[in-house]
Amino acid sequence: AQSVAQPEDQVNVAEGNPLTVKCTYSVSGNPYLFWYVQYPNRGLQFLLKYITGDNLVKGSYGFEAEFNKSQTSFHLKKPSALVSDSALYFCAVRAMGGQNFVFGPGTRLSVLP
Amino acid sequence: GAVVSQHPSRVICKSGTSVKIECRSLDFQATTMFWYRQFPKQSLMLMATSNEGSKATYEQGVEKDKFLINHASLTLSTLTVTSAHPEDSSFYICSAPLTSGGGTQYFGPGTRLLVL
Repeated sequence: AQSVAQPEDQVNVAEGNPLTVKCTYSVSGNPYLFWYVQYPNRGLQFLLKYITGDNLVKGSYGFEAEFNKSQTSFHLKKPSALVSDSALYFCAVRAMGGQNFVFGPGTRLSVLP
Repeated sequence: GAVVSQHPSRVICKSGTSVKIECRSLDFQATTMFWYRQFPKQSLMLMATSNEGSKATYEQGVEKDKFLINHASLTLSTLTVTSAHPEDSSFYICSAPLTSGGGTQYFGPGTRLLVL
């Protein structure tokens, strides 16, 4: 069965500092991995995905994520955080050949001015 | 990117009434759409998979007679909450996947349902 873990409920970071939001996954076969961001009372916005190829994936709003197969991780990163990055972040995995996504529990990111 | 709309964005209804929520893919066709429910400060819970031209597939524990799903066209899926009760109050989100690009799902803005 597929599963996604986001070990931190909350991440606090000062504006201008680098940020990392952690994600680990479990899936049979090669995974498709995704990051989404959710602002209050809004749907999820797609940030980036890993399907194949380079382990470092660049996405929207300056975010990037690194796929690490040996550690089954897909951590989200940004070199310099903005206050406007404060939101709820979800990691998701989809098994190759399947349609359904499995979402992690979410990590709330707070960027302090 | 692909755009998915949802209507209404917010609805308040009396207990016992039915509420219909529409999900539309605006610039792409979607033979499949997903309906999720999200409780406050929690992750998304997949309720059902809506399939154009056939019956929806419901997740375990989701009452199909209570949450009616119709996928009328390649761009429209509807979720009807029948005989709504206060415990049905929640944030409902739909999504539609692209067939290319690893099946990236694009989400609607969500519908906040409050049943009094």
